[in-house]
Amino acid sequence: EIVLTQSPDTLSLSPGERATLSCRASRSVNTYISWYQHKPGQAPRLLISDASIRATGIPARFSGTGSGTDFTLTISSLETEDFAIYYCLERSNWPLITLGQGTRLEIK
Amino acid sequence: QVQLMQSGPEVKRPGASMKVSCKTSGYNFKDHGITWVRQAPGQGLEFIGWISNYNGNTQSAEKMKGRVTMTTDSLTTTAYLELRSLKSDDTAVYYCARDCSAISCVDFWGQGTLVTVSS
Repeated sequence: EIVLTQSPDTLSLSPGERATLSCRASRSVNTYISWYQHKPGQAPRLLISDASIRATGIPARFSGTGSGTDFTLTISSLETEDFAIYYCLERSNWPLITLGQGTRLEIK
Repeated sequence: QVQLMQSGPEVKRPGASMKVSCKTSGYNFKDHGITWVRQAPGQGLEFIGWISNYNGNTQSAEKMKGRVTMTTDSLTTTAYLELRSLKSDDTAVYYCARDCSAISCVDFWGQGTLVTVSS
């Protein structure tokens, strides 16, 4: 069973700053990683699929990199609406999925 | 546009069963599987299971096996999640989500259904 570990658990930043979120897999998942933004009371929103492909309608300030076991979601310049919880998800053993524990991005 | 609309909140007694529906629209139902995920209060997202809308094949998380049944109705383009022998730690918001075309992710999500298990 693959374990996804996200870091940090909480990230405190100010609008305009750069956010770097990490997701590490316990073994290689190729590039079968996607990233989601989740706000309270809302459905999660797909940001990035296949490690680096921005989903339709997602602003260019969101980018994803990585392959194998180490993945990064970067938000180049934070907007107030970006403060939320972010999850990574792997699907290297389709159709099963594994989710990270989440990173809370909060306003400093 | 793609939409997944879930049924309303439920309150259940321990030992009872729940059944959540996920009505889909805006795409060819049989082309995308449905994944079920839940979020307990203060916790992260947890995988429950998956169902193919093409042939009804299912896969569920190990800890859910034996208690969960996932079904689909292609006539009404609706997916269903049933969970039996409910316990208090089944209290959660339950989400359905559509497989991406590339199947390596899920893209559109339902709005979530709160199920509260309490005596």
